Amino acid sequence: DGGITQSPKYLFRKEGQNVTLSCEQNLNHDAMYWYRQDPGQGLRLIYYSQIVNDFQKGDIAEGYSVSREKKESFPLTVTSAQKNPTAFYLCASSVRTSGRREQYFGPGTRLTVT
Amino acid sequence: AQTVTQSQPEMSVQEAETVTLSCTYDTSESDYYLFWYKQPPSRQMILVIRQEAYKQQNATENRFSVNFQKAAKSFSLKISDSQLGDAAMYFCAYRSVPMNRDDKIIFGKGTRLHILP
Repeated sequence: DGGITQSPKYLFRKEGQNVTLSCEQNLNHDAMYWYRQDPGQGLRLIYYSQIVNDFQKGDIAEGYSVSREKKESFPLTVTSAQKNPTAFYLCASSVRTSGRREQYFGPGTRLTVT
Repeated sequence: AQTVTQSQPEMSVQEAETVTLSCTYDTSESDYYLFWYKQPPSRQMILVIRQEAYKQQNATENRFSVNFQKAAKSFSLKISDSQLGDAAMYFCAYRSVPMNRDDKIIFGKGTRLHILP
């Protein structure tokens, strides 16, 4: 079964701790993305990557970091510098060839920081 | 820069009726893709329908269809025979055709759709 997995589904951390959210895809997609969603709100782009070893800041990159060492994996680290880290985080991927340009999404991770 | 606007934060429709969700976008590009995504209470994002800008024919997927007006930069979603399972947040999205390093999808802020039994 091809798809995107995010783990864990729920994550709890104490304030001041860094935390890494996992995102893995076996769709052979080149591009991967991280979004943040706050209650009742839309999606805000954190970081994205079109190819391995390259990534771009999105609209709200401050307090976050990413790596893209493998095509299949795009982990997101929420650092202690992120002022309001509690949110729902969605990972997505897409092809870069013409035609099916939509993004496929993982099930999301709900991060709670207290 | 491209923008996507959904002017209806919330809408309600009676079960079995038809509802139309509005979306407008701004772009200087001539070729692009438009999407509608659905996010039910489970929060899983699901692609509902896709439209290529070069195609004049409106896309249709079962009970879901779009009204794509390229000159007006409008991309509305029509849901026919609304069902309780259609209750969700709906997002309109835009993507350029060129695949450069800055390639990304632009999302609207969403419309929450309530289905009244």
